[in-house]
Amino acid sequence: DAKTTQPNSMESNEEEPVHLPCNHSTISGTDYIHWYRQLPSQGPEYVIHGLTSNVNNRMASLAIAEDRKSSTLILHRATLRDAAVYYCILRDAQGGSEKLVFGKGTKLTVNP
Amino acid sequence: NAGVTQTPKFRILKIGQSMTLQCTQDMNHNYMYWYRQDPGMGLKLIYYSVGAGITDKGEVPNGYNVSRSTTEDFPLRLELAAPSQTSVYFCASSNALLNYGYTFGSGTRLTVV
Repeated sequence: DAKTTQPNSMESNEEEPVHLPCNHSTISGTDYIHWYRQLPSQGPEYVIHGLTSNVNNRMASLAIAEDRKSSTLILHRATLRDAAVYYCILRDAQGGSEKLVFGKGTKLTVNP
Repeated sequence: NAGVTQTPKFRILKIGQSMTLQCTQDMNHNYMYWYRQDPGMGLKLIYYSVGAGITDKGEVPNGYNVSRSTTEDFPLRLELAAPSQTSVYFCASSNALLNYGYTFGSGTRLTVV
């Protein structure tokens, strides 16, 4: 499975934007980039995913580098409820590896 | 929709006991997964299934068994519980189409003493 690299932790202030980086230099052409988050004492929650183009949804935006070797999850206005561990994961679109492999993720702290 | 339902939410087992963690989804998803998460760590895949009657091992399958007789259910069996199996267990499901994310259950917290 292709690997991703994320910072162990990040801090933000409430109401400010947050940019969570992810490096995936060995990404293949058929890998989708998925982001999940895990709030304390809960199961992971799907946030967003993309292949090549930038993506927006009600939760966040995903910016994908032109060479696809890195991506950034953008929370436009952080709230206290966004404090969680954020996981960046590659999912193979070619039917070979139909499973998500989690790393340690980035622990986001949001200060009031 | 209920999504992915896991039972029980909490359980304490004695060493050597057996139990089955239940997982049911009502979204007609083909793919189902079992993960475990040790304190302060990420999730590790135990077993997964791409459809009824088909299962395969993940990263940490030792000490566990699964079956998939229906699309909806994917139970995880612990035959001889050991302290190393103390963990939080998450079940997840997904559509065969890759334009969707995974849906996770709320977890089962298992302690083996």
